[in-house]
Amino acid sequence: GQQLNQSPQSMFIQEGEDVSMNCTSSSIFNTWLWYKQEPGEGPVLLIALYKAGELTSNGRLTAQFGITRKDSFLNISASIPSDVGIYFCAGHHGSSNTGKLIFGQGTTLQVKP
Amino acid sequence: EAQVTQNPRYLITVTGKKLTVTCSQNMNHEYMSWYRQDPGLGLRQIYYSMNVEVTDKGDVPEGYKVSRKEKRNFPLILESPSPNQTSLYFCASSSRLGLGGTEAFFGQGTRLTVV
Repeated sequence: GQQLNQSPQSMFIQEGEDVSMNCTSSSIFNTWLWYKQEPGEGPVLLIALYKAGELTSNGRLTAQFGITRKDSFLNISASIPSDVGIYFCAGHHGSSNTGKLIFGQGTTLQVKP
Repeated sequence: EAQVTQNPRYLITVTGKKLTVTCSQNMNHEYMSWYRQDPGLGLRQIYYSMNVEVTDKGDVPEGYKVSRKEKRNFPLILESPSPNQTSLYFCASSSRLGLGGTEAFFGQGTRLTVV
């Protein structure tokens, strides 16, 4: 099945640094979602984007829906140790009436105190 | 509290012994799906259901069955488990879809080991 190209695959950063990750697709999406998964838990929705160009924040997290509708990025500012986890992007075509989400392969984030 | 509940959280079984992983949601969502998560492969959809009695295959349906007799429940059935079905499984639900977009909510996962 189709997958999104998510990068980077992993990041190891110092506490306090900013983080940026992105997802690209060969097809257009009507919805972009960003999830965080902590060890032993299910993915938890962080930010949902529904409109091209939309920029949405959730605390220290900011995500944007690309103008071309084929990409999205997630930024985390001033990282802290509890930001550790796997971050997934997911897209939904919208034109289809199925609920199928296409997922990126995840960005594993490690934060050094 | 809105949630998706899976059971069991952990399961070790032997090859060929039928098992069922249950999933229940309390958000009255029409759409439910099952994913498996494997290292390096991300989340892959196994089956999905758009409403009661409506199910369809996802990307990796071989070896699995599902049913949707009630809106809130969407069990995943492995009739004859094999070691290559050892994985972390997630159930998810979301509201009615369309051009307005969707948000999926995930259960906490079921870690299955088939020996």
